[in-house]
Amino acid sequence: KNQVEQSPQSLIILEGKNCTLQCNYTVSPFSNLRWYKQDTGRGPVSLTIMTFSENTKSNGRYTATLDADTKQSSLHITASQLSDSASYICVVHTDKLIFGTGTRLQVFP
Amino acid sequence: ETGVTQTPRHLVMGMTNKKSLKCEQHLGHNAMYWYKQSAKKPLELMFVYSLEERVENNSVPSRFSPECPNSSHLFLHLHTLQPEDSALYLCASSQVPTSGGYNEQFFGPGTRLTVL
Repeated sequence: KNQVEQSPQSLIILEGKNCTLQCNYTVSPFSNLRWYKQDTGRGPVSLTIMTFSENTKSNGRYTATLDADTKQSSLHITASQLSDSASYICVVHTDKLIFGTGTRLQVFP
Repeated sequence: ETGVTQTPRHLVMGMTNKKSLKCEQHLGHNAMYWYKQSAKKPLELMFVYSLEERVENNSVPSRFSPECPNSSHLFLHLHTLQPEDSALYLCASSQVPTSGGYNEQFFGPGTRLTVL
């Protein structure tokens, strides 16, 4: 069964700290993987997209990694800011889009 | 802003009411989508319109009825809903990929629906 599991479900960190969000998938065949950020009261916005051959991709303070062998991806946020408080959703593309349930991140001052 | 707008942003309705959700995209895309987002659940794809034709309907109850009059507008007509239909309804748009699969989707802010 195609599934995308994210952990942790929620996370609280202090401003300025780093954090890593995890995404494990059991999807086949694999086409690409996207990380979305969803602010409260808004729709998801794409942060990164990674194909099978890419290991790392950065977008400012966000760095996504992909291990296609272990079917794991992570999203690392460096020097967190209050505006990073949001839900982060991992989406894997096979013949359809498979969405994870998301990680709710809260950054406190 | 992502270039996709949705109205209303909030809607409270009774189970016997009829209402419609509206979505408009200003990105020149030719595919539009309706999603349901419930708490602690993954986004659920409800309907897909590609080049103004419905190409996917993921077993959505008939009390939800989509309409796509042109490539920029998408509606979701609601009637005799149930309390479990309360959720955030998201609209998205994208370019139809030339070789299958999915291009990046741009989401609207959603309509928060509460069914009493």
